Amino acid sequence: ETGVTQTPRHLVMGMTNKKSLKCEQHLGHNAMYWYKQSAKKPLELMFVYNFKEQTENNSVPSRFSPECPNSSHLFLHLHTLQPEDSALYLCASSQDRVNIQYFGAGTRLSVL
Amino acid sequence: AQKVTQAQTEISVVEKEDVTLDCVYETRDTTYYLFWYKQPPSGELVFLIRRNSFDEQNEISGRYSWNFQKSTSSFNFTITASQVVDSAVYFCALSEALIAAGNKLTFGGGTRVLVKP
Repeated sequence: ETGVTQTPRHLVMGMTNKKSLKCEQHLGHNAMYWYKQSAKKPLELMFVYNFKEQTENNSVPSRFSPECPNSSHLFLHLHTLQPEDSALYLCASSQDRVNIQYFGAGTRLSVL
Repeated sequence: AQKVTQAQTEISVVEKEDVTLDCVYETRDTTYYLFWYKQPPSGELVFLIRRNSFDEQNEISGRYSWNFQKSTSSFNFTITASQVVDSAVYFCALSEALIAAGNKLTFGGGTRVLVKP
């Protein structure tokens, strides 16, 4: 079992759908992150949460809405996405904001 | 602004050959961290190493070795006697070392390594 678990692993959604990605970490960390990995760009940081508080929003469109109910769980709520949002979405966690980030296996999202 | 460049997009080798992955970075910070991650086909990024900018000692871990040269802003990674299981995409990354800056990793574009039997 990995320390950072992401579900679902694969998701196909239409542009009018609403879906959520889930991330759970079993490492006792207090910082969590969302990254986007698309084919044509380097890994991009989207959001950072530290002790459940959002500390970074890297100019992410509002159709992506993160939620961090506690230090172990992180969600990414999706609505009215565009085809260019198709990508691998990776979650990571770290002990604090300067420590090593450990990643999950990602959710492969396809927007039709 | 920080930038990480991995000029090699793909490297193909035959098993048991050595392979070196180049990483060049740009930063105005005097204190920073450098990282290497491995992304196998399963998707997750696997942490390999973190190096503080004040520690220029090279490091060896099994078949992996890292060469940090601050003078040329490079942090290269060598896999010795490559194996098929080393086939993956390898990412070099950079972050500031100050707590106030948070923990924002800047990644390079990655180098895909294909090791053929």
